[in-house]
Amino acid sequence: GENVEQHPSTLSVQEGDSAVIKCTYSDSASNYFPWYKQELGKRPQLIIDIRSNVGEKKDQRIAVTLNKTAKHFSLHITETQPEDSAVYFCAASRTGGFKTIFGAGTRLFVKA
Amino acid sequence: DVKVTQSSRYLVKRTGEKVFLECVQDMDHENMFWYRQDPGLGLRLIYFSYDVKMKEKGDIPEGYSVSREKKERFSLILESASTNQTSMYLCASSILTVGGGFTGELFFGEGSRLTVL
Repeated sequence: GENVEQHPSTLSVQEGDSAVIKCTYSDSASNYFPWYKQELGKRPQLIIDIRSNVGEKKDQRIAVTLNKTAKHFSLHITETQPEDSAVYFCAASRTGGFKTIFGAGTRLFVKA
Repeated sequence: DVKVTQSSRYLVKRTGEKVFLECVQDMDHENMFWYRQDPGLGLRLIYFSYDVKMKEKGDIPEGYSVSREKKERFSLILESASTNQTSMYLCASSILTVGGGFTGELFFGEGSRLTVL
């Protein structure tokens, strides 16, 4: 069935360093790739997304890249701050569908 | 701001009990979803609904049912709770796009953590 693999499961970085989380999807018809951030005890919230007609999207310190051929997409966080500490989920879905397939999540720790 | 409200943040139930988890959204979204969140497994779709009284199975519907009597409210029902249903349950809503489906962005509630003893 459709699945999204996410790596690493845990990531620890020093404040100011960059963090990269990688995902691979199986459904070649997927064309929408959101990233959600879930702080401890809070709801998941969309932080950035990318559609299959672009290869990269940036929003301040975060960026997402997409390689459709390899079915890979990645989240890049630069100049990490302690408030970036959270669980990050990648996901994939397709236009006209209702299902979003989520990765298992990456717990990011940013050490001050 | 979209608000998705889940009625109970924490519940403790006994095996065999019937459990209702309620979710209300205030943005007139057509689509509503119930997900289950478990460590190392991400979020898995239990059921979704794209209209009042409509429901569709997700990836893990066994042991669950849902009810959507009003557009703003989507309930998850565990007919006979079991210990393997101990989990965090997340409700979400989204806009229905022309032609069906949704735009992609999901708006989540705060979650209901259910413990079944």
